[in-house]
Amino acid sequence: DQQVKQNSPSLSVQEGRISILNCDYTNSMFDYFLWYKKYPAEGPTFLISISSIKDKNEDGRFTVFLNKSAKHLSLHIVPSQPGDSAVYFCAATRSYGKLTFGQGTILTVHP
Amino acid sequence: DGGITQSPKYLFRKEGQNVTLSCEQNLNHDAMYWYRQDPGQGLRLIYYSQIVNDFQKGDIAEGYSVSREKKESFPLTVTSAQKNPTAFYLCASSKDTYGEKLFFGSGTQLSVL
Repeated sequence: DQQVKQNSPSLSVQEGRISILNCDYTNSMFDYFLWYKKYPAEGPTFLISISSIKDKNEDGRFTVFLNKSAKHLSLHIVPSQPGDSAVYFCAATRSYGKLTFGQGTILTVHP
Repeated sequence: DGGITQSPKYLFRKEGQNVTLSCEQNLNHDAMYWYRQDPGQGLRLIYYSQIVNDFQKGDIAEGYSVSREKKESFPLTVTSAQKNPTAFYLCASSKDTYGEKLFFGSGTQLSVL
């Protein structure tokens, strides 16, 4: 049972444009959501997070939006840069330690 | 320089063999975790530990074992009972018992000969 889904395996955008990565979840008990970024042969690194009491969180070029009624969150990267090319995982949690991850989306930003 | 060190980076297992993946952290974090990544799938939790000498099964613990004898160390043994061990294994830690923000090691790629 895939509780966190990233339905787009890959996304390709032009440098300077907006990248929008999407994530859907089924468990209404999730109350904290995170995005991680992963380069090949490396561990994921934390990017940005959002609590269920908010609907938006911004950090520089990265903004995460949460739509609780739709059980949907998205990560916006503006402007996109070639160094943003990586795999992006969304994750959700409702209890200690047990993050549930999506399948990941490969983002490619073309110069 | 604080961080999480996983070794080896690449590991090969023969049929019927147990292998142990090392994970060490010097972040003084209480909680540690083991995840498995397969192509096209998210990270799946194998085991986690909130405190020394205590650990809990994750979603896919069968065929794996762990120990937490020291705060800094959380080794994972892939036993011969794990029939499909080929994967990328990631160790992580978190400062708080509410471990929402994880710090990951660089991973170990395990393959079967």
